[in-house]
Amino acid sequence: KAGVTQTPRYLIKTRGQQVTLSCSPISGHRSVSWYQQTPGQGLQFLFEYFSETQRNKGNFPGRFSGRQFSNSRSEMNVSTLELGDSALYLCASSRDYEQYFGPGTRLTVT
Amino acid sequence: GNSVTQMEGPVTLSEEAFLTINCTYTATGYPSLFWYVQYPGEGLQLLLKATKADDKGSNKGFEATYRKETTSFHLEKGSVQVSDSAVYFCALISGNQGGKLIFGQGTELSVKP
Repeated sequence: KAGVTQTPRYLIKTRGQQVTLSCSPISGHRSVSWYQQTPGQGLQFLFEYFSETQRNKGNFPGRFSGRQFSNSRSEMNVSTLELGDSALYLCASSRDYEQYFGPGTRLTVT
Repeated sequence: GNSVTQMEGPVTLSEEAFLTINCTYTATGYPSLFWYVQYPGEGLQLLLKATKADDKGSNKGFEATYRKETTSFHLEKGSVQVSDSAVYFCALISGNQGGKLIFGQGTELSVKP
């Protein structure tokens, strides 16, 4: 069974730009969660989508948004990028409470 | 709110040494508990889990027991290998927030030959 895939794996953007990251869950998994990982703040929950609806949301500004499609694939968008948004963005899919992670997208904001 | 606290790293051990990484949690209700491992340049892999008090999760020689009385979920391995070098994260999911994992800060383990 294929694992969680994320694209792209690496991104370099400039401050003020926006970015869209994509996540394809494991087949049959309907829940997708997103996390931001930084050396200073560790792993922080961004949001979770289930059946195209946002079910949980973390404490991030409105510049961070997401959506989920009918095939359970999910995207997250960050608008007006700031230097502090540089991080590894991880998505995870689950069918119940066990979450399986993708390899992440490394975003660098310059 | 819910939180997870892990022992600080880095932890450096010789091959075949005994490993303990402490993890304690604060949560309402009865959370499910997890250990994840992250190898350099990769995402997180689920190592083991426990969903109720006194459950023991185990995988690849690693074990952890859900202790409700001490709100702990310590990770142990009897004999570590160089290939176990990685960062280990303790995490919980609270029953009413199913898709939201709360992580500890991670503990880096380095195993020397």
